[in-house]
Amino acid sequence: AQTVTQSQPEMSVQEAETVTLSCTYDTSESDYYLFWYKQPPSRQMILVIRQEAYKQQNATENRFSVNFQKAAKSFSLKISDSQLGDAAMYFCAYGKTSYDKVIFGPGTSLSVIP
Amino acid sequence: DGGITQSPKYLFRKEGQNVTLSCEQNLNHDAMYWYRQDPGQGLRLIYYSQIVNDFQKGDIAEGYSVSREKKESFPLTVTSAQKNPTAFYLCASSIADRTSGEQYFGPGTRLTVT
Repeated sequence: AQTVTQSQPEMSVQEAETVTLSCTYDTSESDYYLFWYKQPPSRQMILVIRQEAYKQQNATENRFSVNFQKAAKSFSLKISDSQLGDAAMYFCAYGKTSYDKVIFGPGTSLSVIP
Repeated sequence: DGGITQSPKYLFRKEGQNVTLSCEQNLNHDAMYWYRQDPGQGLRLIYYSQIVNDFQKGDIAEGYSVSREKKESFPLTVTSAQKNPTAFYLCASSIADRTSGEQYFGPGTRLTVT
């Protein structure tokens, strides 16, 4: 069975600095998707970034980028130039290339210090 | 605007009563999902449906029931058999193809049972 692990329950970063959130997963599949979702205090889940496993190039979305290591089954999220609005819970998630269920990690609570 | 609506935002019930949470989407998505989120925890899958008139149990289906009579709607009933129903409930939907895997989330319903 697939599992997703986030080993950092809480993280903090100074405003304008860079922070990296860790995620590891376990799967026997070769083709799948990985996601980072953000849940701010409003509790609305927002997709931050998506990575297709067949793509070697790491995904980037403005200040957000990932380090995808397929062999190591690692999928970390780097947030550059952190802003106060980045403070939220961040969930790493795994999904197969279908409309099957998505597996979520336990989340990392990120605080941004002004 | 396309999206997912959940109503109400806050719901209060007495113990022993069944309660139904609404989830509607106008994204023309085939697949819909219900998650439960407890404080400090990730998302746990309750039920999901990939097509009208069909649904599958997730990881914590006991004490819950769903129906999928229309593509746009996927209501969740929290029955009196659910031992700890107080939680935040999130509904999501996704396109049923191999190009994305991304799930779109509603704003959630906070259920309190006393």
